[in-house]
Amino acid sequence: DVKVTQSSRYLVKRTGEKVFLECVQDMDHENMFWYRQDPGLGLRLIYFSYDVKMKEKGDIPEGYSVSREKKERFSLILESASTNQTSMYLCASSYTGAVTYEQYFGPGTRLTVT
Amino acid sequence: AQKITQTQPGMFVQEKEAVTLDCTYDTSDQSYGLFWYKQPSSGEMIFLIYQGSYDEQNATEGRYSLNFQKARKSANLVISASQLGDSAMYFCAMREETGNQFYFGTGTSLTVIP
Repeated sequence: DVKVTQSSRYLVKRTGEKVFLECVQDMDHENMFWYRQDPGLGLRLIYFSYDVKMKEKGDIPEGYSVSREKKERFSLILESASTNQTSMYLCASSYTGAVTYEQYFGPGTRLTVT
Repeated sequence: AQKITQTQPGMFVQEKEAVTLDCTYDTSDQSYGLFWYKQPSSGEMIFLIYQGSYDEQNATEGRYSLNFQKARKSANLVISASQLGDSAMYFCAMREETGNQFYFGTGTSLTVIP
């Protein structure tokens, strides 16, 4: 069974704090993704990575950075958390190549910034 | 332009009835994959069904089927014999042959009424 795990289910941080969200997958997937999910807006891509140390900006990268030092781990960093970053964050992974490969998702992290 | 459009923010269906959730897509790629995911209130994203652009038959997985109309660029999800546990958000997604990204719609919230 493919497993994608995220470091926290719930997180509460203060404005201005640096926040790290960790994601680990155990299926040797090349691609990893970070989304944020807000009501009525669906899933919006923040960043994705198609290989170690490689990253691509998604639709809403402002205020976020990412790190992928190992194939199985993809970290999302909020350099200085703000209240408008309160959201559900979902990590996902997939194989590269064929369009048949689906994404596997982690359980999500509900982040509240106060 | 939106790659994936889901026009039904909310739907209601009577238990044991069938329901269709709409999805239209936009791509110029010849090869692409279409996916449906279910997200219960717990937050995890569950992969339901996949349809490839070259598949001639509509995909089916148990009570889920995909009504694929390529010329109309639609990929509607049909859930037969609805159950209370089907109450959830449903997301349509697409993966194109060019690039590694997945594109998601804004989702449809389905409520099954006893």
